[in-house]
Parts: sequence; structure tokens; C-alpha cells
Amino acid sequence: DAGITQSPRHKVTETGTPVTLRCHQTENHRYMYWYRQDPGHGLRLIHYSYGVKDTDKGEVSDGYSVSRSKTEDFLLTLESATSSQTSVYFCAAGDASSREQYFGPGTRLTVT
Amino acid sequence: AQSVTQPDIHITVSEGASLELRCNYSYGATPYLFWYVQSPGQGLQLLLKYFSGDTLVQGIKGFEAEFKRSQSSFNLRKPSVHWSDAAEYFCAVGARTGGYNKLIFGAGTRLAVHP
Repeated sequence: DAGITQSPRHKVTETGTPVTLRCHQTENHRYMYWYRQDPGHGLRLIHYSYGVKDTDKGEVSDGYSVSRSKTEDFLLTLESATSSQTSVYFCAAGDASSREQYFGPGTRLTVT
Repeated sequence: AQSVTQPDIHITVSEGASLELRCNYSYGATPYLFWYVQSPGQGLQLLLKYFSGDTLVQGIKGFEAEFKRSQSSFNLRKPSVHWSDAAEYFCAVGARTGGYNKLIFGAGTRLAVHP
């Protein structure tokens, strides 16, 4: 797991409420990623970060924002959760040279 | 466009039987290829990867994969499946795009193992 943790691991929230998911890594990887996993879609990239305070959008970024104030922490925020954002969210980290990414255990988010 | 196709959504095999999971990719340059495994309720674990060199790569848990450029394939194999191999398997291609490393995943193949 390359020292990647996610919190919370499970969350149930109501439509319209803000939600923040946290990813923490201990291996000093430069790049960090947030994915969502939905049946039939594999994993899809939401946002990524290439350094502290350097972030950019992935392929399914609408409704999500991110922040990275420290190398080890990458936050994903749903400003106003919707039912379509019910999913399993994975954080990953990696480096430029290897192209390999290491994944956290995931957060199961349910929006009711 | 870059893409990964895993043609089999579900596969069921008997314990001790051989296994082959298919993966086809579409990518303009030399691909970096990965297979990940996800056990129920768990994150993704890297099984093996291909960057260059020998087209037959060995991974953990007795898995291997063969890169075939002419077929744009990177199929995963195991000679004898164990019940603990029941999981979901994801093939991915790694691309360097716009200054970051991007992983494009297939939709996954769910493997069930009969005793």
C-alpha cells in the first residue's frame, strides 16, 4: 500500500451537504491522484496534484475540488453532494519516473 | 484516443485450473502496462508491470503477463488458480500526458473460483 491511508473509510451523507475526503501518504511521492470507481467503468480520474498547491482536473472533475497544502496530504471536496457522487473513492500516489501508482484502501461514500 | 478494453466482465474457473484474462489497449506510443488486483473491500494492489524489454513479465502471486505489440494485448495468466485469487482484476495503460503520469483503466474482470 506504500503508506497511503484514507479517511473516512465509509461515509453516508445527505444531498446538498459538503463532504471532504482525506488522503495521507508517508512516502514523499510527488504526484497524488483521486479516482472514483463505479461498476462497469473501472477507475476514472477526478483530479491530480503534481506538487504542493499544484493541482489539475482529470476526466470527471465536475462537482469536485481538491487541495494540497502539504506533500503528504491531498483533500477531495464535494461542495454540494449529489446522488450521482455515490461511489468508492480511491487515492493514489506515485512518481514521474516509474509511472506506477500506489493506491489507498478506498472510501465508500453514499449520498442519500 | 487512449483506451483499455477488458472483454470479459465475469470469469469463473475451478480451483487448480489455468487462467487467462484478456486486455487490449489503444495507445499511440510505447505503452507502460499494468495489472492490478482488487480483493473485496480492498484497494488496488499491483500484480505486475511492463515498461520495456522482455515481453513476458512475472508478477506476484504466481501471475505472469505477455505483451504482444502486434495484437495490442497484455493478457494475464496463471497456470493454477487458487481460491484466494477470487477478486477483480484491472488492466491499465500508463501515459505521460500534459506533465503528469496518467493511468487509463479497463472496466475490470471479476474472477470467481469454484472449489
